[in-house]
Amino acid sequence: GAGVSQSPSNKVTEKGKDVELRCDPISGHTALYWYRQSLGQGLEFLIYFQGNSAPDKSGLPSDRFSAERTGGSVSTLTIQRTQQEDSAVYLCASSRAGTGGTEAFFGQGTRLTVV
Amino acid sequence: AQSVAQPEDQVNVAEGNPLTVKCTYSVSGNPYLFWYVQYPNRGLQFLLKYITGDNLVKGSYGFEAEFNKSQTSFHLKKPSALVSDSALYFCAVRPMYNFNKFYFGSGTKLNVKP
Repeated sequence: GAGVSQSPSNKVTEKGKDVELRCDPISGHTALYWYRQSLGQGLEFLIYFQGNSAPDKSGLPSDRFSAERTGGSVSTLTIQRTQQEDSAVYLCASSRAGTGGTEAFFGQGTRLTVV
Repeated sequence: AQSVAQPEDQVNVAEGNPLTVKCTYSVSGNPYLFWYVQYPNRGLQFLLKYITGDNLVKGSYGFEAEFNKSQTSFHLKKPSALVSDSALYFCAVRPMYNFNKFYFGSGTKLNVKP
């Protein structure tokens, strides 16, 4: 596609429910990142994929958070038993692999509200 | 530990005046440096990057940034601000030895007044 696509754009869920957030990266981009942006805060790294593998999961806040990527393309971030502190904008980004000098392109984000 | 600092939460400038948004970083080895802009309810949009070479890099929308290795800074600049430049600006660094993540600053809100 022309850009990174995320769905849904907004999600309101009840505390304790599970949610799935989807990211469709730019075609051909093998690197994929998830970040979280809380209100008034900077960007918090969650996880990095290279192809279907996740060599860096160091930012996942707890075992309620998981992510997968299939076919070297679409990625899903799953939050189980959501808590109010999970409310944030979840941003996905992709980049071409190769060198660290490659910029990442971001989607518009999914705004998650846990009530 | 790797870190990026944007010391100003907010920068106010008048339209037509030059603007500077500051960024300093702490990273082992040589870094790759980036600036992103975020408009309300949007994702981050890439502006420019420093990889190597000339310390002054030019990017989108007339923005430029100057890499200063001795001061570990990468300040964003524009000679003449526009009201439409009002947005949230993020500096990011990526260590040469670790491509796994971008380290972002906390962001600086730029307000350009007519």
